[in-house]
Amino acid sequence: QVQLQESGPGLVKASETLSLTCTVSGGSISSYYWNWIRQPPGKGLEWIGYIYYSGSTNYNPSLESRVTISIDTSKNQFSLKLSSVTAADTAVYYCAGTTPGAGYFDYWGQGALVTVSS
Amino acid sequence: DIQMTQSPSTLSASVGDRVTITCRASQSISSWLAWYQQKPGKAPKLLIYKASSLESGVPSRFSGSGSGTEFTLTISSLQPDDFATYYCQQYNRYRTFGQGTKVEVK
Repeated sequence: QVQLQESGPGLVKASETLSLTCTVSGGSISSYYWNWIRQPPGKGLEWIGYIYYSGSTNYNPSLESRVTISIDTSKNQFSLKLSSVTAADTAVYYCAGTTPGAGYFDYWGQGALVTVSS
Repeated sequence: DIQMTQSPSTLSASVGDRVTITCRASQSISSWLAWYQQKPGKAPKLLIYKASSLESGVPSRFSGSGSGTEFTLTISSLQPDDFATYYCQQYNRYRTFGQGTKVEVK
């Protein structure tokens, strides 16, 4: 059973870069597409983007200018960087896995709250 | 962008009720739609994919239907564990979620 675990700073200053890492266990990182999804407190879900083990990426057009998702297959990890953050980027950030050929999210991490402070 | 609109935003129901949630897409997404259940403080859980396919391990009281732009999630007989927020998600082009429907105790 694939398990995902987010890690990274829980507090980021406005205008700086948010960085999170997701560690994959119980499955091959080459077998899925790996996504980042976020949820502001009390609000709905927003897909940020995904990466495949080959390094190919696809980002939400509304965030594309500020987002970089990368992968380290040797460590079974993938990462999110979101630049120039504001209070609107305060959210629980989830990593999630997608089976190739599907577009829904089979596996989810528990989520990591990131707060942007001024 | 494909916008997803769920209705209602909140639904009050009792155990044993039949519950239906609607999700509308701003353009046709064929059957590329999933449904999730989320409880407070937890990650969403996949219930339905490809509009009507039940994810393994999900109780059969959950069902999905629809294609094109209109979709429904039905819970045939609401159970105590089903009080939660439900989201639809399209994966025809990029990925977009509906705003959520909270199923609360009547």
